[in-house]
Formats: sequence, C-alpha cells, structure tokens
Amino acid sequence: NAGVTQTPKFQVLKTGQSMTLQCAQDMNHEYMSWYRQDPGMGLRLIHYSVGAGITDQGEVPNGYNVSRSTTEDFPLRLLSAAPSQTSVYFCASSYSPQGLSSYNSPLHFGNGTRLTVT
Amino acid sequence: AQSVAQPEDQVNVAEGNPLTVKCTYSVSGNPYLFWYVQYPNRGLQFLLKYITGDNLVKGSYGFEAEFNKSQTSFHLKKPSALVSDSALYFCAVSSNDMRFGAGTRLTVKP
Repeated sequence: NAGVTQTPKFQVLKTGQSMTLQCAQDMNHEYMSWYRQDPGMGLRLIHYSVGAGITDQGEVPNGYNVSRSTTEDFPLRLLSAAPSQTSVYFCASSYSPQGLSSYNSPLHFGNGTRLTVT
Repeated sequence: AQSVAQPEDQVNVAEGNPLTVKCTYSVSGNPYLFWYVQYPNRGLQFLLKYITGDNLVKGSYGFEAEFNKSQTSFHLKKPSALVSDSALYFCAVSSNDMRFGAGTRLTVKP
C-alpha cells in the first residue's frame, strides 16, 4: 500500500531557482492538498484541489503554483525560490465522494519534502 | 473562517498517568474536528474525529477526545500514557478545507 508518495525527500535550492515537488496517491482520492510546516506555526494550507482540473488557493499560496491534470498527481511548483520558502512540505489526500472538500474525511499524508533555500 | 488554538506548546507526563492535550476551535456552523499525531520525519497520522453524535470520541492507540460545544473545545485524552505516545499532536478543524493548530509536543517520561 503506497498511499501518498512525495518526491524528493530533501532538496536544496539557491534563491531564484525553480523546482517541482511531486505528489502522487494511489487511493483514488478526489481531494488533494499541499501544506507547509514551520516550527511553532503548525501546518498551513498552500493550495488544494477537489478533483482533476480544479484547484484553489489556501492560506499561503503566494510563490507557489499547482495543477491537477489527473486524479493521482498534484505537483507543487516553486517559480522563483526564496529563503522564506525554506520549510517542510506535505502533500495530503482524502476521500470525497461528492467531489467536494474533505470536510469530514481524514487526510492521508505523505512523508514530506524538506526544502532549504539558500 | 475556521481556526484552531492549541494553548500548550509542550505537555510532559509520567508514564502510566493520564494525559490531556488541549484544543479550542472557532468555526461558523457545525464543527468537524480531528486529531492527528506526527512522529519524527513522518507525515501526520489520523487519530480520531468528531462529526456529530456522542461527545466522547474514541480513536486509535487508546486515545479519546471530548467535544464540548459550550466551551468550543476538543481536548485529546488518554487514561494511561505510554513512552511511545511521545510525539507531536495536532488538532484540526474542517470546513471547506482543513486548518491545523500549531501543535503540542507530548513527552511521556518513564
């Protein structure tokens, strides 16, 4: 049971570089989301998607782009990395039978990507 | 918009003693509340949830949580703590999306 798979596990970028964090799930979940985790701030929602072709912004979307071309994949793109984007990034998915939000379904998390921007 | 507060950064208990990790929430409408646990270098794992019904919710690993609507609280509890319960615990509230508290680090000492 793979669940939610994130790659890479670690990444170091220089300021201004771009990269894509990959996220894939094999549970046929409609809902997927990206969070960043910073000390003392818990998890903050970056972007989310309620199904293929549909994305929306969370609490802290600036500097990040997403797309959802398939149910399985939900990549997160950093267009021009900044030191403030140094964080641990988590992808999560949940079952949403009506294609709506995960309002009462628990999230399944990947193991995270630790990103450092110098 | 919904929000969650975890007033304690750190909770320390002795093994075998009861533990409580506190959570208060703010949401318009009916709350959907969750607890998650995070072990080092791992993603969060679901422990339990409250949607409706009985105010005492039972979850994984012997944890339970008590929903109190008048106090807008959803405290996590366990009657007898284990050293292996030491981890980071997050409360979350869900409406259109899921929002998390800042987390509470639980340390259970032998």
